[in-house]
Amino acid sequence: TQLLEQSPQFLSIQEGENLTVYCNSSSVFSSLQWYRQEPGEGPVLLVTVVTGGEVKKLKRLTFQFGDARKDSSLHITAAQPGDTGLYLCAGPYGGATNKLIFGTGTLLAVQP
Amino acid sequence: DTEVTQTPKHLVMGMTNKKSLKCEQHMGHRAMYWYKQKAKKPPELMFVYSYEKLSINESVPSRFSPECPNSSLLNLHLHALQPEDSALYLCASSQGGQGARKFFGPGTRLTVL
Repeated sequence: TQLLEQSPQFLSIQEGENLTVYCNSSSVFSSLQWYRQEPGEGPVLLVTVVTGGEVKKLKRLTFQFGDARKDSSLHITAAQPGDTGLYLCAGPYGGATNKLIFGTGTLLAVQP
Repeated sequence: DTEVTQTPKHLVMGMTNKKSLKCEQHMGHRAMYWYKQKAKKPPELMFVYSYEKLSINESVPSRFSPECPNSSLLNLHLHALQPEDSALYLCASSQGGQGARKFFGPGTRLTVL
């Protein structure tokens, strides 16, 4: 059972367009993280959201944590080719352990 | 130093070979992880070491054998692998605790022939 479902799975857009990626679960998470992974590299943490309803901005990226802490979204404004990569949400599970479960992933391609 | 290093970057091995993947971090992190990632899929947790002791094994086949010689090093010993084990193997480290930031290495691209 996949606890974190992301949509869309694939997204190909033109430079300058806006986009939103969704991360949904039927489970409550104490926090959710968003990572970006470029080809040939490991995932790099973008943000951690902790409080239900929280909104965080990182330049052109806006992250939101749902009020019920079951979902999150990532909105990118005026996408650039450098935004291309695999976007992964992730959350802790399994109690007070070090387990981190990743979402199903969204592969974004921004065409110049 | 906020880097996790992994060697080798690429590895090709036969099904009868024995090889090892290495991971190193000098951030003083007490938790280290091995993940397996297939192309265009999310990473899947394999093992977690906490304070140099194996704390989580996600039902990984015994042909994968982790080892944590000290707090900075993590190895993954490979023996009698199958072609379906070909994947990107990622190492990560963190301070530990739920939700702690994980730092990932660049991975080792493994191909089993």
